[in-house]
Amino acid sequence: NAGVMQNPRHLVRRRGQEARLRCSPMKGHSHVYWYRQLPEEGLKFMVYLQKENIIDESGMPKERFSAEFPKEGPSILRIQQVVRGDSAAYFCASSLSREVLHTEAFFGQGTRLTVV
Amino acid sequence: AQKVTQAQTEISVVEKEDVTLDCVYETRDTTYYLFWYKQPPSGELVFLIRRNSFDEQNEISGRYSWNFQKSTSSFNFTITASQVVDSAVYFCALSEAQTSGNEKLTFGTGTRLTIIP
Repeated sequence: NAGVMQNPRHLVRRRGQEARLRCSPMKGHSHVYWYRQLPEEGLKFMVYLQKENIIDESGMPKERFSAEFPKEGPSILRIQQVVRGDSAAYFCASSLSREVLHTEAFFGQGTRLTVV
Repeated sequence: AQKVTQAQTEISVVEKEDVTLDCVYETRDTTYYLFWYKQPPSGELVFLIRRNSFDEQNEISGRYSWNFQKSTSSFNFTITASQVVDSAVYFCALSEAQTSGNEKLTFGTGTRLTIIP
């Protein structure tokens, strides 16, 4: 029983490059949440997706950030033209349904993005 | 809007001492859920507990216990007989039971707990 899998665990990008973060939810889970943790801070909600749909992107920066959760394959968080301020840990959580999320949220181990 | 406050930024205690981590929350909903997560130095998030707003019974799990008081909007976490392996950042989080399908968590800023051997 694999948990939520995120890759890569560590990602280094130069300013201006693109970063792609992948999240494979637990088997059977169709709900995915992305959170960002800036250094020395708590996690902040970014986006909530169901298969092929963005449900809530109220926490996403207006520019350069996008997310998708296709019918097949992992959810992708994409950051274009990265800047130093994008350096953070990005966590993904998944759930079977909205009700199950209130039992516990299954988080991945995170991707630590460093922009140099 | 919901908000979670963890006023203690850092706490250090000597091993075997008891320690309480405070969490105060704000919400306008009558139905909500409270969580505690542990983030060890390795960086992953470890789920510790979920409590719904209708269940004010305190809970104990081994050396961990939680005190939920709706009257003061607090959900405090106590570790008894602390151990070095308890050293981590601990996050309190709140989720409102919205019918829109969005169960996003609002996290506090965390308390860094250091257990001194």
